[in-house]
Amino acid sequence: GENVEQHPSTLSVQEGDSAVIKCTYSDSASNYFPWYKQELGKRPQLIIDIRSNVGEKKDQRIAVTLNKTAKHFSLHITETQPEDSAVYFCAASFQTGANNLFFGTGTRLTVIP
Amino acid sequence: EPEVTQTPSHQVTQMGQEVILRCVPISNHLYFYWYRQILGQKVEFLVSFYNNEISEKSEIFDDQFSVERPDGSNFTLKIRSTKLEDSAMYFCASTLLGTDTQYFGPGTRLTVL
Repeated sequence: GENVEQHPSTLSVQEGDSAVIKCTYSDSASNYFPWYKQELGKRPQLIIDIRSNVGEKKDQRIAVTLNKTAKHFSLHITETQPEDSAVYFCAASFQTGANNLFFGTGTRLTVIP
Repeated sequence: EPEVTQTPSHQVTQMGQEVILRCVPISNHLYFYWYRQILGQKVEFLVSFYNNEISEKSEIFDDQFSVERPDGSNFTLKIRSTKLEDSAMYFCASTLLGTDTQYFGPGTRLTVL
């Protein structure tokens, strides 16, 4: 099955700096890559996603890049704010319909005011 | 905005007991999922469900687990004889047909003593 690796496991940045989280996946058939933000004790919330036919996607301060050849994708958060502090999970799936998500191990991002 | 709901928020049970975790997916969604997250670890796929049958299941989803859609709104996960290692947060998710985005419920924290 699919295996998703995520780095770093923890990341601390100063408010206003950028944060980058990287993931790799093993199955070249994977074609959908969402990123979820999970605040303490809360549900995972989708923040951005990208499909394999697109190399980059941006939504305000958040962007995701995908390199299909290298099988890796990254989350970029610019101008970080304290409310960005959370655990971020990348995921991959390779089916349409019942697209079961395979999650990375998570990155705990701390934005220091 | 419609949300996936789950009950109970916290369930404590004795080892060997049966538990039923309940989910109400978003009303027009047709794909349903259960995931679990052991404390401090990544979210793991358990099972997906469509058209009143299981679409996919992971190795975790053994004979002790079952899912059911008993009526038009609820989606349940039953664990027949709980083990200590079943202690985790269980998330339900749902997806609209033809889309990839999975919406997660708030989770049920299961504690097996």
